Amino acid sequence: DIQMTQSPSSLSASVGDRVTFTCRTDQNIKKFLAWYQQKPGRAPSLLISSSSNLRGGVPSRFSGSGSGTAFTLTINSLQPEDFATYFCQQTFTSPYTFGQGTKVEVK
Amino acid sequence: QVHLQESGPRLVKPSETLSLACGVSGGSLRTYFWTWLRQAPGKGLEWVGYIDTTGRTKYHPSLASRVSISLDTSTSQFFLTLTSVTAGDTAVYFCARDDTTGVIDLWGQGVSVTVSS
Repeated sequence: DIQMTQSPSSLSASVGDRVTFTCRTDQNIKKFLAWYQQKPGRAPSLLISSSSNLRGGVPSRFSGSGSGTAFTLTINSLQPEDFATYFCQQTFTSPYTFGQGTKVEVK
Repeated sequence: QVHLQESGPRLVKPSETLSLACGVSGGSLRTYFWTWLRQAPGKGLEWVGYIDTTGRTKYHPSLASRVSISLDTSTSQFFLTLTSVTAGDTAVYFCARDDTTGVIDLWGQGVSVTVSS
């Protein structure tokens, strides 16, 4: 299985901050990476696929980048509704695997 | 708008079989892979497997000996069966839609299943 490592596991930020977190894989997955947001008690929702393709309806303050084994998710000007946990997922090959998540908390 | 809803027992005894259903409403089953994932308490997400509308299935290798996913197109439901469960199978189980590339573009709300005697 492809191993996924997200960092940091959590971060504290304020509304208006720009936050960036990382997802690394132990194999080259080209750009086959998706990002999801999950709020407590809710199902995840898709933000980005193919490393940088923003899903329709997702605010443009979210952006993704990277290829190969290193990827980033950036949130520009953090909004109150963005405090959540973010997971990356490789879609290069099954079994599809997820990172352990980065929790964005209120500073 | 397509909606997914899981149903099934919330409590299963060790060594018994976990069975869940997912109802798909508001859209066609065609062109997608119908997927189960799970999330153990405090842990990340684990992909369990999927079925497509031809009945082709793919499972996580670590679960393949115990898992089965089936589809009933006449009732727009798909099902998860996991045999010989242990406490390690305690999790929130999500049914979901894979756009055929591995990307999960639609999720059910999830159902919490506890394995305990």
